[in-house]
Amino acid sequence: DSGVTQTPKHLITATGQRVTLRCSPRSGDLSVYWYQQSLDQGLQFLIQYYNGEERAKGNILERFSAQQFPDLHSELNLSSLELGDSALYFCASSPGGNTEAFFGQGTRLTVV
Amino acid sequence: AQKITQTQPGMFVQEKEAVTLDCTYDTSDQSYGLFWYKQPSSGEMIFLIYQGSYDEQNATEGRYSLNFQKARKSANLVISASQLGDSAMYFCAMREPSGSARQLTFGSGTQLTVLP
Repeated sequence: DSGVTQTPKHLITATGQRVTLRCSPRSGDLSVYWYQQSLDQGLQFLIQYYNGEERAKGNILERFSAQQFPDLHSELNLSSLELGDSALYFCASSPGGNTEAFFGQGTRLTVV
Repeated sequence: AQKITQTQPGMFVQEKEAVTLDCTYDTSDQSYGLFWYKQPSSGEMIFLIYQGSYDEQNATEGRYSLNFQKARKSANLVISASQLGDSAMYFCAMREPSGSARQLTFGSGTQLTVLP
């Protein structure tokens, strides 16, 4: 158990819909990262938050947004969903600096 | 250019044998970190081992060791005494200190199958 909790584990939704993925980082970790893993793109960095503030953006679509709350949990919002958004979405946390990131179990999103 | 290259899409190893998974990287930074993660069929990403660019000794964690050759920009993972439970996808990743970001860049992965 990495200590990072993601909910839900599985999500099936229709095209055009909006979903929210939730992540609770390890106790004490200030950094939260979101990654997308798809068959054609591999593991791609989406966005990072550090202590409530956006720190870095990767290949995140405009239809996607995220935030980190004062209790440090984070949510990734995906809207106007398309079939190609079907993927495994990971949240990872780290205390900061050049340390390892610990991953949650992921949320498997299926858009039908 | 690819920042992390894993040239072995699939590897097979006999149980109890050692296996090396290749990883080369590309960076112009002097300070960076290299990581290996394991992803079993259940999907979770499990951290295995970390090597800092300034670490003089190769990192080891139990049966895992990282063969770090800085001049060649390679960071191969060595698994000794393979077990059936080692069958999984293995990802090499790098963290560069680009500004204040600390995200990981991943390779495409190597699917390891351990044969009984």
